[in-house]
Amino acid sequence: QVQLQESGPGLVKPSQTLSLTCTVSGDSITSGSYYWSWIRQPAGKGLEWIGRIYPSGGTTYNPSLKSRVTFSVDTSKNQFSLKLSSVTAADTAVYFCARGVPILAVGGYYYDPWGQGTLVTVSS
Amino acid sequence: SSELTQDPAVSVALGQTVRITCQGDSLRSYYANWYQQKPGQAPVLVIYGKNSRPSGIPDRFSASTSGDTGSLTIAGAQAEDEADYYCNSRDTSRNHLDVFGNGTKVTVL
Repeated sequence: QVQLQESGPGLVKPSQTLSLTCTVSGDSITSGSYYWSWIRQPAGKGLEWIGRIYPSGGTTYNPSLKSRVTFSVDTSKNQFSLKLSSVTAADTAVYFCARGVPILAVGGYYYDPWGQGTLVTVSS
Repeated sequence: SSELTQDPAVSVALGQTVRITCQGDSLRSYYANWYQQKPGQAPVLVIYGKNSRPSGIPDRFSASTSGDTGSLTIAGAQAEDEADYYCNSRDTSRNHLDVFGNGTKVTVL
């Protein structure tokens, strides 16, 4: 059973860089046709897709965050990571990592499983 | 449009049927996936593709699509179904980005 676990600082100062890592267990990050994503959720609000990364390193980012986001993957550690630069209070949220799974025959992807999420607060 | 629009909230009497909708142009090309999120927890996939349920999801959850609108139906709602529900699909207009609906709060009365 595949499991994802987010890790990283829970408090980041304004203007600094938020860094999170997602560790995948139960399967190789390179197996299948999956991709790996970060999704965030401010308190009391909905889900915001940040982007995805393929095991090859290819990425697609949400245009609203593209100028500040960098994803990376470390296949030797079965991990992928998020860096978000120049953070402000608006970046305070629970950050989830999730696996994108292809839907055969009909196209598209769904997200399963998800990590438990980690709260990142941006404050001085 | 890159948006998926959901009604903010719906309520259903215990044991009755409720339908949640998700509207967006991308649903003309891709099916909506549906996630259930309870307070303080990560979202859980309940429906994917045309109408497929992951292992462990009760068969009272089902989905359908008509035009640009996807629907999630809970037949015989239980108290434990009270949660936020989000749809998700691909944005066909912008490099196939992934998008989420704004979420629907389901209250079981």
